[in-house]
Amino acid sequence: QKEVEQDPGPLSVPEGAIVSLNCTYSNSAFQYFMWYRQYSRKGPELLMYTYSSGNKEDGRFTAQVDKSSKYISLFIRDSQPSDSATYLCAMLLPGSARQLTFGSGTQLTVLP
Amino acid sequence: ETGVTQTPRHLVMGMTNKKSLKCEQHLGHNAMYWYKQSAKKPLELMFVYNFKEQTENNSVPSRFSPECPNSSHLFLHLHTLQPEDSALYLCASSHARGGGEQFFGPGTRLTVL
Repeated sequence: QKEVEQDPGPLSVPEGAIVSLNCTYSNSAFQYFMWYRQYSRKGPELLMYTYSSGNKEDGRFTAQVDKSSKYISLFIRDSQPSDSATYLCAMLLPGSARQLTFGSGTQLTVLP
Repeated sequence: ETGVTQTPRHLVMGMTNKKSLKCEQHLGHNAMYWYKQSAKKPLELMFVYNFKEQTENNSVPSRFSPECPNSSHLFLHLHTLQPEDSALYLCASSHARGGGEQFFGPGTRLTVL
């Protein structure tokens, strides 16, 4: 079993739709949760960073962590064609010397 | 130059060649990383350097040899690679404390013939 499971997609939605991206994980010790966005031919860039359970909102993006279910989500409201990218979830153990564990990424296309 | 830069952006090499990948960060960070990204697979952490000292080596074959001469520069020396080593190699940097926020370069697309 992989430590972090993420549906690779591809996922296509019309412009303006609400997008839900999800990851599940097996190690309950993960404490820090991140979402990275990777455009084609670019490196990943950090989008959201959350600690422990709950919601965090930043503009059109909301990151949600449910530690009891070992499940994290990223919601994108009013999706735009510029949101078309691969979204990677990542997790960090406390005191793990910065070793991020990544999901395999979900490829999202927002159609104009 | 700003952020994290990587050169070359594309590299094609034979199995007997020796080549090097270069990474430079302009963010004042103290930790640097090499990752391998293959299609449909999670990013694989290869090496971590903290204040120029290698702190992690995730069972990477010896045909990959990292070098970190200072906190701003990181190299990955390649020799006698295999076709399965073809991938996108990403460099990242972060502050030494709290490495969740890592800043990535654009990567080097490596093809081994």
